[in-house]
Amino acid sequence: NAGVMQNPRHLVRRRGQEARLRCSPMKGHSHVYWYRQLPEEGLKFMVYLQKENIIDESGMPKERFSAEFPKEGPSILRIQQVVRGDSAAYFCASSPRDRSNSPLHFGNGTRLTVT
Amino acid sequence: GQQVMQIPQYQHVQEGEDFTTYCNSSTTLSNIQWYKQRPGGHPVFLIQLVKSGEVKKQKRLTFQFGEAKKNSSLHITATQTTDVGTYFCTDKLIFGTGTRLQVFP
Repeated sequence: NAGVMQNPRHLVRRRGQEARLRCSPMKGHSHVYWYRQLPEEGLKFMVYLQKENIIDESGMPKERFSAEFPKEGPSILRIQQVVRGDSAAYFCASSPRDRSNSPLHFGNGTRLTVT
Repeated sequence: GQQVMQIPQYQHVQEGEDFTTYCNSSTTLSNIQWYKQRPGGHPVFLIQLVKSGEVKKQKRLTFQFGEAKKNSSLHITATQTTDVGTYFCTDKLIFGTGTRLQVFP
């Protein structure tokens, strides 16, 4: 049973470009969470999605960031017009049920570097 | 907003010594989960605590949930080099600040 798959593993973008990060949850999981982690820091919640629904996006910056989890295909975290401060590791996690009782299964993350 | 603080931020121990990290939330938690992240890796689920005052053990690891459900602790007995990593507590949305454990052989 494949785990949570994130790609790409590493992504380099120049300032002003767009970054698209993909996350395929574990089989049977319908809930996806995105987190950002700066070097030597903890994980900051960004957004929580179910299939075709954004449940909680309170941690997502209002501008340039968007997320989706379509009926078919992976969840996508999109960052438009990237800036150097967007450089971080972005982790996706999935769980089979609502947030309260299920452990999170994390992917290996995407390391975004903005030059 | 809700904050979850962990102390200490760093802990260096000699192999065989014990280690404890403390997690304190500014609000009451319905449950708390603990994760371990190895250097360069991703967080891995360790355990979930739900009941007030709950204590759970996993081999050398002991987890405790406070009576008021606002704090928790993780204690490792006789640390090994494989215990190296950062330990986070979380309610799944808000992650604690983490405690980085370094174990010297």
